[in-house]
Amino acid sequence: DAGVIQSPRHEVTEMGQEVTLRCKPISGHDYLFWYRQTMMRGLELLIYFNNNVPIDDSGMPEDRFSAKMPNASFSTLKIQPSEPRDSAVYFCASSGPWTGGQETQYFGPGTRLLVL
Amino acid sequence: AQSVTQLGSHVSVSEGALVLLRCNYSSSVPPYLFWYVQYPNQGLQLLLKYTSAATLVKGINGFEAEFKKSETSFHLTKPSAHMSDAAEYFCAVSDRGAGGTSYGKLTFGQGTILTVHP
Repeated sequence: DAGVIQSPRHEVTEMGQEVTLRCKPISGHDYLFWYRQTMMRGLELLIYFNNNVPIDDSGMPEDRFSAKMPNASFSTLKIQPSEPRDSAVYFCASSGPWTGGQETQYFGPGTRLLVL
Repeated sequence: AQSVTQLGSHVSVSEGALVLLRCNYSSSVPPYLFWYVQYPNQGLQLLLKYTSAATLVKGINGFEAEFKKSETSFHLTKPSAHMSDAAEYFCAVSDRGAGGTSYGKLTFGQGTILTVHP
């Protein structure tokens, strides 16, 4: 299995531009997570999906952030417009069915975003 | 609510020395606890997890952790450090969820960077 795939691995953009991050979860996993990692705030859960449906987006910082999962093998996280404070590493993770809270999440390599 | 505190943002050891990374948790339910490792420019990967089956949990790469309820701790250890262990380590606690669409969300600690000196 190729694991969780994220693209691009690095993104440099200017303030105000739209940024789209992409994720392909592990085949057969029905949960998908988007995290953001910064020095100041550590690792934060932004949103998660179950069977392509957004379940909890309480971690999404602002309306500038949106996430979609049009099918079981693809998800996007969009920032529009981007701001310098959005600079961070964004991780996608996926997991199999709920088994009481002990599930392992499998992380992608991350997208390192720099907004100038 | 769940929370995790990792004591020490940086730990430095010599190759061959004992590794001890500290994690204390707070949980409103019996906890499920995890240690993840992040190598440079990579995503997190699971080292080990405690799911109440045994208090001493063995993971990959020679790491183990002991769950101590009385101390609300889940410290990670390795008897002999190797250069390849240099990475950032995250302790996490699950809120277990309720099944179905409600998933066991993970709350991560701030991470501990482990440096191994030759």
